[in-house]
Amino acid sequence: QKEVEQNSGPLSVPEGAIASLNCTYSDRGSQSFFWYRQYSGKSPELIMFIYSNGDKEDGRFTAQLNKASQYVSLLIRDSQPSDSATYLCAFEVGGFKTIFGAGTRLFVKA
Amino acid sequence: DAGITQSPRHKVTETGTPVTLRCHQTENHRYMYWYRQDPGHGLRLIHYSYGVKDTDKGEVSDGYSVSRSKTEDFLLTLESATSSQTSVYFCAISDDRLTGGYTFGSGTRLTVV
Repeated sequence: QKEVEQNSGPLSVPEGAIASLNCTYSDRGSQSFFWYRQYSGKSPELIMFIYSNGDKEDGRFTAQLNKASQYVSLLIRDSQPSDSATYLCAFEVGGFKTIFGAGTRLFVKA
Repeated sequence: DAGITQSPRHKVTETGTPVTLRCHQTENHRYMYWYRQDPGHGLRLIHYSYGVKDTDKGEVSDGYSVSRSKTEDFLLTLESATSSQTSVYFCAISDDRLTGGYTFGSGTRLTVV
């Protein structure tokens, strides 16, 4: 059974701080990893994609991938109350499929 | 979401009745997916399609069937609804699943009473 593990949270950080979200996955053959953001009552939206070991930065977001440790993380710098949402980690498992974690709830306190 | 619509947005149905949810896309994407989302379980794949008339089962396919007769439409049918199928159902589309990720529809909230 291929799995994604995320801490369900909630993770609470003050406004302006760095939020760190973590995810581990079970499939060593996975090539592509994704982070989605889901606001309450809304559908998930893609915010980051990474496939190479190391860091990938996009604005205030940085995704970090370590394939040897089967670990992917998302850092949100200068966190804003509007970043309060559930963040879903996902990875492709081949056969046209992607597996999603249950998500980590993030609260950014003003 | 632009380019992908789900209908209906909300539905209440009785146990034992058939239910069909529709996903329609205008992006001409090859891949289409049906997920359900439940508290504590995250998104779980029900069925997916990799082309017209090409479909396959996901991890929670029991009690569900799908059809894709046109590129733009992917239908999910609950043959005989049960209370355990009360959930939020999301359709997703993808053109390049390895690098492009998914675009999700707005979801259908289904309640089986």
